[in-house]
Amino acid sequence: DSGVTQTPKHLITATGQRVTLRCSPRSGDLSVYWYQQSLDQGLQFLIQYYNGEERAKGNILERFSAQQFPDLHSELNLSSLELGDSALYFCASSGSGAPGNEQFFGPGTRLTVL
Amino acid sequence: AQSVAQPEDQVNVAEGNPLTVKCTYSVSGNPYLFWYVQYPNRGLQFLLKYITGDNLVKGSYGFEAEFNKSQTSFHLKKPSALVSDSALYFCAVRPFENYGQNFVFGPGTRLSVLP
Repeated sequence: DSGVTQTPKHLITATGQRVTLRCSPRSGDLSVYWYQQSLDQGLQFLIQYYNGEERAKGNILERFSAQQFPDLHSELNLSSLELGDSALYFCASSGSGAPGNEQFFGPGTRLTVL
Repeated sequence: AQSVAQPEDQVNVAEGNPLTVKCTYSVSGNPYLFWYVQYPNRGLQFLLKYITGDNLVKGSYGFEAEFNKSQTSFHLKKPSALVSDSALYFCAVRPFENYGQNFVFGPGTRLSVLP
């Protein structure tokens, strides 16, 4: 158990809908990362937050947004969902977000868009 | 831009034999290098990392990796494979200098250890 929690574990929804994925980092970790894992794209970095502020952005679509709250938990919002958004979404956390810090991954949320 | 290649989609090895999972990288400047393992229906688990210093890095579960700067490689090794090592292995790189750059993961290598 990494100490990172994600809810829900599974989410099934329809095209055009909006969903929110939630992540709680390990106790004491200030940095949260979001990743998308799909069969054809592999593991793609979406966005990083550090202590409430956006630090780095990867291949995140404009339909997706995220935030980190004062209690350090984070939410990833996916809107106008398309079939291609079906994937595993992982949250990870690390202490300071420094480049040499390893990240600890949550169990993921499996999103299915029908 | 940084990139990671894992040239083998699949590696098969017999239990008790040594295993190697290959990784090569491209990054401007000095790299931080990582190996992660993913078991079915689980998140990624950190195995080991190279930051600086000794080129041979030891990690969890008896795994080790050798950093080779001239060949830009960071191959994962284990002297004696176990069936329980069967999983998906990811190599990742992050550049040393820039906080704005984040992890880039390789495509993954599926390791099957046969009893």
